[in-house]
Amino acid sequence: DTGVSQDPRHKITKRGQNVTFRCDPISEHNRLYWYRQTLGQGPEFLTYFQNEAQLEKSRLLSDRFSAERPKGSFSTLEIQRTEQGDSAMYLCASSSTGVLSPLHFGNGTRLTVT
Amino acid sequence: LAKTTQPISMDSYEGQEVNITCSHNNIATNDYITWYQQFPSQGPRFIIQGYKTKVTNEVASLFIPADRKSSTLSLPRVSLSDTAVYYCLVGDSNDYKLSFGAGTTVTVRA
Repeated sequence: DTGVSQDPRHKITKRGQNVTFRCDPISEHNRLYWYRQTLGQGPEFLTYFQNEAQLEKSRLLSDRFSAERPKGSFSTLEIQRTEQGDSAMYLCASSSTGVLSPLHFGNGTRLTVT
Repeated sequence: LAKTTQPISMDSYEGQEVNITCSHNNIATNDYITWYQQFPSQGPRFIIQGYKTKVTNEVASLFIPADRKSSTLSLPRVSLSDTAVYYCLVGDSNDYKLSFGAGTTVTVRA
């Protein structure tokens, strides 16, 4: 178990630029989640994949956000035309489909939009 | 999804036992209770999960009364490294939109 890895750990970008984050889940996990966390708050659900299918998107995920999980392996989260309000920690998690299947989180990508 | 309520913060000292109670009055029959721990600049980490009565692992114990409307995470003999935010979540295996809430910030002092 190598854990969930996210890249990059930190990203500073100027308002209006596009950014893309990558998540590599635990290899045998078929569920993958993206969360966003701002200072002092708990993680907020953004979107969920079962294998390569994106099954749910939060209303927090505006049209500027898009997520993919080609071939049911790694996932990418892209934010287009970034805004200062997008500054947050973006967390990826994976889990199996068992009844007792806790989320395994990566250490996130910290995005700062200037 | 069952809503949870837990204290915003708790203070403790090294060597003491810390008990964090989470209320979940509308817990459903198929729901499990799961606790996560989060350190600054890290993702949450699974601590313990249970359905009823008591569950214990090498890190913590989870006490769940018969009505399951609340649960208590017990951290024995805390150390400074247990300073973190602790989240209580309630849901079943098909709840992929789990809500973390603000959690309980536990501060352990020397």
